Amino acid sequence: SQTIHQWPATLVQPVGSPLSLECTVEGTSNPNLYWYRQAAGRGLQLLFYSVGIGQISSEVPQNLSASRPQDRQFILSSKKLLLSDSGFYLCASTAGGLSYNSPLHFGNGTRLTVT
Amino acid sequence: AQTVTQSQPEMSVQEAETVTLSCTYDTSESDYYLFWYKQPPSRQMILVIRQEAYKQQNATENRFSVNFQKAAKSFSLKISDSQLGDAAMYFCAYRSDWMDSSYKLIFGSGTRLLVRP
Repeated sequence: SQTIHQWPATLVQPVGSPLSLECTVEGTSNPNLYWYRQAAGRGLQLLFYSVGIGQISSEVPQNLSASRPQDRQFILSSKKLLLSDSGFYLCASTAGGLSYNSPLHFGNGTRLTVT
Repeated sequence: AQTVTQSQPEMSVQEAETVTLSCTYDTSESDYYLFWYKQPPSRQMILVIRQEAYKQQNATENRFSVNFQKAAKSFSLKISDSQLGDAAMYFCAYRSDWMDSSYKLIFGSGTRLLVRP
């Protein structure tokens, strides 16, 4: 089964500072990878997904970016954080290939507070 | 674009009783997949149950079952014999069929379930 490592668990950053959240996956190869954001008391909003190394699709225009430098590594970045970037960030993975009916596996999330 | 709506921000149930959480979705596709996820206070996302749209039989997993009404685009979750550990946020989610290789999930806004002892 898949294991998703996501860090850090908690992060407090000032407005205008950079951001780097990292996610790595074990137990599968060529996974699809996702970054979701959950605002306080809200649902999950898909930010980015990737179906392969170097392939990034953006769902919501914003000052965040994502990269996939290795098969099982997914990074969420920002050059300058905004207050509105605060939230709970979840990395998720599903096996690539014929896994259309398989669920997403989630990491434990990062709680980001921008002050 | 597909959308998922959960119209109940919060529900409450007495321990050992049954509760039903509602979910509706909008899509023009005929083949797709539906999921219910649970998010306890730890915020870990846990899969509860899944349903393939081409299957007429409703999915069940122990105390959890769904009422899938394809024509009405409705996918409700029934929790029987509610337990204190069922208290959590519950999210309904939609995935397009295998033609969309992104396999991304579109989530509803969630329903917070409270369980009274």
